[in-house]
Amino acid sequence: DIVMTQTPLSLSVTPGQPASISCKSSQSLLHSDGRTYLYWYLQKPGQSPQLLIYEVSNRFSGVPDRFSGSGSGTDFTLRISRVEAEDVGVYSCMQTIQLPFTFGQGTRLEI
Amino acid sequence: EVQLVESGGGLVQPGGSLRLSCAASGFTFSSYSMNWVRQAPGRGLEWVSYITSSSSTIYYADSVKGRFTISRDNAKNSLYLQMNSLRVEDTAVYYCARLTNWGQGTLVTVSS
Repeated sequence: DIVMTQTPLSLSVTPGQPASISCKSSQSLLHSDGRTYLYWYLQKPGQSPQLLIYEVSNRFSGVPDRFSGSGSGTDFTLRISRVEAEDVGVYSCMQTIQLPFTFGQGTRLEI
Repeated sequence: EVQLVESGGGLVQPGGSLRLSCAASGFTFSSYSMNWVRQAPGRGLEWVSYITSSSSTIYYADSVKGRFTISRDNAKNSLYLQMNSLRVEDTAVYYCARLTNWGQGTLVTVSS
């Protein structure tokens, strides 16, 4: 199974400041089709997870442009350019290149 | 608007069974692979099972293999998870997920 490791596990950020979360996979997530199967989700308190970023760097519909994703192979980063109060919650990365799909442990962002 | 609505959760004794359902709307359900993902209280997300659009390919997490069965009815736009031989450690919120969209979840509690 592919192991997904996130750092840090918790993050306290002042509104307006940037934030960054790292996700490392135990195997490359680059598929032979040229796509890299790395997703980022945010689970706000009391809600179900919502997709932020798919295939490393593509923002999902309706996601603010302060969220961005980058990386390749086994190293990935989610960045929030200016954190807002509504960004609190748990951020998780997920790989879908190989079953079983696996998630990172989650990073709790607090304001 | 894509909607996924889970139902069927509840309290069950160890060794018991439950069948979860997920009603899909707002997209062509028959064209998409689907998943069940669970989250134990205070824990992270755990993928449980996957089914392709035609049900031709099915996968399970090792933790549920042999006990859970995923299925779908494309005519009814519905996804199912039959859970047998339930264990205390299966206690979790179970989400129906298309990866881009998730339902609100249904809570399964396994306890005597």
